[in-house]
Amino acid sequence: GAGVSQTPSNKVTEKGKYVELRCDPISGHTALYWYRQSLGQGPEFLIYFQGTGAADDSGLPNDRFFAVRPEGSVSTLKIQRTERGDSAVYLCASGFNTGELFFGEGSRLTVL
Amino acid sequence: EDQVTQSPEALRLQEGESSSLNCSYTVSGLRGLFWYRQDPGKGPEFLFTLYSAGEEKEKERLKATLTKKESFLHITAPKPEDSATYLCAVQEMRTSGSRLTFGEGTQLTVNP
Repeated sequence: GAGVSQTPSNKVTEKGKYVELRCDPISGHTALYWYRQSLGQGPEFLIYFQGTGAADDSGLPNDRFFAVRPEGSVSTLKIQRTERGDSAVYLCASGFNTGELFFGEGSRLTVL
Repeated sequence: EDQVTQSPEALRLQEGESSSLNCSYTVSGLRGLFWYRQDPGKGPEFLFTLYSAGEEKEKERLKATLTKKESFLHITAPKPEDSATYLCAVQEMRTSGSRLTFGEGTQLTVNP
């Protein structure tokens, strides 16, 4: 497809479980970003990849959150020991090193 | 720390009733200010980038302007399809890549 693809679109899990969220960026985009958006809030930066490496992971809230982009394309956001406070929409965006980001539709995570 | 404050939180207009949305920001050095549109259940969609005070950008019924402390998104003769949440974001000089700090958004409703 032409846009950023995120799967799953919805994920319901129980407290304490492990979750993986996948992002397939626009082909050719070198930069990939993860943001988190809670209801009624703006997106909050989590991590930024340039190529395969995490150039800035200072937005990750704690060590339960981890993200990879092993081949410089698809990325996976991993959340261990989920907590109810992790419930949010996780947005992925791709682009180049400008502020013009192309966002996916997000993965809505609900932790019961 | 970057701060982005948008007002009003919500705005209801009649079709054809022009108005403006405000974005006030505090950053140590502005690299760029960005406006995005977000429809329910979707990711943000890029609208404009502004780089320096006095700059203006236009697209259809929307015009964005920038001063040293704030940005305005002017909506002229809006239509119901302009209903969405409008997000403002800043990119600071010292941050890596395209890390953006978003405001909480203004939810615009245009009634026919």
